[in-house]
Amino acid sequence: QSVLTQPPSVSAAPGQKVTISCSGSSSNIGSNYVSWYQQLPQTAPKLLIYEESRRPSGIPDRFSGSKSGTSATLGITGLQTGDEADYYCGTWDSSLRAEVFGGGTKVTVL
Amino acid sequence: EVQLVESGGGLVQPGGSLKLSCAASGFTLSDFDIHWVRQASGKGLEWVGRIGSEGKSHATEYAASVKGRFAISKDDSQNTAYLQMYSLKTEDTAVYYCARAITTLDYWGQGTLVTVSS
Repeated sequence: QSVLTQPPSVSAAPGQKVTISCSGSSSNIGSNYVSWYQQLPQTAPKLLIYEESRRPSGIPDRFSGSKSGTSATLGITGLQTGDEADYYCGTWDSSLRAEVFGGGTKVTVL
Repeated sequence: EVQLVESGGGLVQPGGSLKLSCAASGFTLSDFDIHWVRQASGKGLEWVGRIGSEGKSHATEYAASVKGRFAISKDDSQNTAYLQMYSLKTEDTAVYYCARAITTLDYWGQGTLVTVSS
């Protein structure tokens, strides 16, 4: 049981948009920065979004992030087959004194 | 170019010990926290622990599941961080990643597989 809650899977056709939700609490998302990570099959996680909505260099603006209260959202527009991956949200939990992750969401391009 | 390379994984019996290394290049290790995160086959990411930067006096914190059994250390002069694992259990079987961090885990290594089995 993960501290942060994500849907197990989302899917859409190429070119369409998907959103992935990440729900937490006041001790984690509600009071700390949220990051999103992309994990392509058989590879290490890669930072996609940090500090809720900032993109590292090299990440296309098709990927966006937002936060409201104790929930965060990752959006992917112009979906491509290369976007098929597992996506994780993560943040620090001030009560647990631990980095916490969502259970991961598998994105499938139909 | 920032790189993190883990090594030291392998097969170990339950109750045994293993020490993983995380060799950093392309940046100054002392300026960053280093986190260890593991992933069992087909499962999600699980945080193991972290060691703070030099500015945070190399303070360590651990997940409840490994506290008292795992120890994280850092040798800034060698640009290497370590994860010493004791009293290993079958449920510790996973790929172990190290990642550097300030406000986020921005660079990750490729991971090293630890298998705990008799």
